[in-house]
Amino acid sequence: DTAVSQTPKYLVTQMGNDKSIKCEQNLGHDTMYWYKQDSKKFLKIMFSYNNKELIINETVPNRFSPKSPDKAHLNLHINSLELGDSAVYFCASSQFSGTGTGTQYFGPGTRLLVL
Amino acid sequence: AQSVTQPDIHITVSEGASLELRCNYSYGATPYLFWYVQSPGQGLQLLLKYFSGDTLVQGIKGFEAEFKRSQSSFNLRKPSVHWSDAAEYFCAVGTPGGGNKLTFGTGTQLKVEL
Repeated sequence: DTAVSQTPKYLVTQMGNDKSIKCEQNLGHDTMYWYKQDSKKFLKIMFSYNNKELIINETVPNRFSPKSPDKAHLNLHINSLELGDSAVYFCASSQFSGTGTGTQYFGPGTRLLVL
Repeated sequence: AQSVTQPDIHITVSEGASLELRCNYSYGATPYLFWYVQSPGQGLQLLLKYFSGDTLVQGIKGFEAEFKRSQSSFNLRKPSVHWSDAAEYFCAVGTPGGGNKLTFGTGTQLKVEL
């Protein structure tokens, strides 16, 4: 019983294509996140949703659009893929805390390669 | 804005030796501090966290970390390393009222020699 799951695990695609990555959590958390890990392993937050509402939106190109149909799911859609989008994308979830103490649980990652 | 520095990009230790991974943070008040481990091809697993109270924190897999306010540090330690500890280790900081946003360091890759 996976706590935070992502599909697909690997994604290889051509430049200019549109692709989606799905994330689901069964922890009952109300907050979900997307992180990008680049080739140097640097991990940076992209978005965060709390109860389907966007609460963190870092400086990310408009080609990236998160969608949260319910609080257990947070999908990431990427339009017009570019070479620089190649990375590992991690989904995470936590129980929101106004004091910033919610522990985040991470999914296994989606390895995206843009050719 | 908060930031995290992990000065060591790579560390190699012999199995059975002790380990200390360094983490320094920059934040005006007491942050919330985390250590995560990432095994090859895997996601991140939480090792331990510090919010308040006792500055020596015990985590899983025999790891501990000590918060030192005067040095703005949160170093991770393990008295005896096992070959299975080889992985990438990330220190992260969260801030009160920060919307649960985590800022990560650049990671330290640990290699264990048998």
